[in-house]
Amino acid sequence: GENVEQHPSTLSVQEGDSAVIKCTYSDSASNYFPWYKQELGKGPQLIIDIRSNVGEKKDQRIAVTLNKTAKHFSLHITETQPEDSAVYFCAASIDTGNQFYFGTGTSLTVIP
Amino acid sequence: DAGITQSPRHKVTETGTPVTLRCHQTENHRYMYWYRQDPGHGLRLIHYSYGVKDTDKGEVSDGYSVSRSKTEDFLLTLESATSSQTSVYFCAVGRGESREQYFGPGTRLTVT
Repeated sequence: GENVEQHPSTLSVQEGDSAVIKCTYSDSASNYFPWYKQELGKGPQLIIDIRSNVGEKKDQRIAVTLNKTAKHFSLHITETQPEDSAVYFCAASIDTGNQFYFGTGTSLTVIP
Repeated sequence: DAGITQSPRHKVTETGTPVTLRCHQTENHRYMYWYRQDPGHGLRLIHYSYGVKDTDKGEVSDGYSVSRSKTEDFLLTLESATSSQTSVYFCAVGRGESREQYFGPGTRLTVT
């Protein structure tokens, strides 16, 4: 099956700086890549996603890039704010499929 | 929150006892999922459902069973709980063409 690896496991940045989280996947058939933010005591929340026919997608301060050849995708958060502090998960699946494979998570701390 | 509730939110039980967790959704989604979340493992799929009485196994299904007798309810049962099943359990619904995952608030289960 699919194997998704996520790095780093923890990340601390100063408020206003950028944060980058990277994931790799193993199954070339995967073509849908969502990112989730999980705050303490809550369920993961979808924040952005990308499909394999797109190389980059932006939504305000967050962006995701995808390199299909290298099988990796990244989450970029610019102008970080304390409320961005949370655990972030990447995932991979086959579009219209039924199984999602998640990375192990990155704990992001934004220092005021 | 995609209209998802989980019950109970917290449970402590003893090894060998049966446990049933309930997921309830109000938006009539066809696809529903059960995940467990453990440190260092991210989220792993236990079972999923693609319609009433239609279910299939995920990557960590051993020791778990599920049932879906109504569209709105998806039950996860641990027939004989073990300490290795201590975890946080999340229910999700799948929306849209890519089955975007929307998660409930989670159930923290402790098996002593």
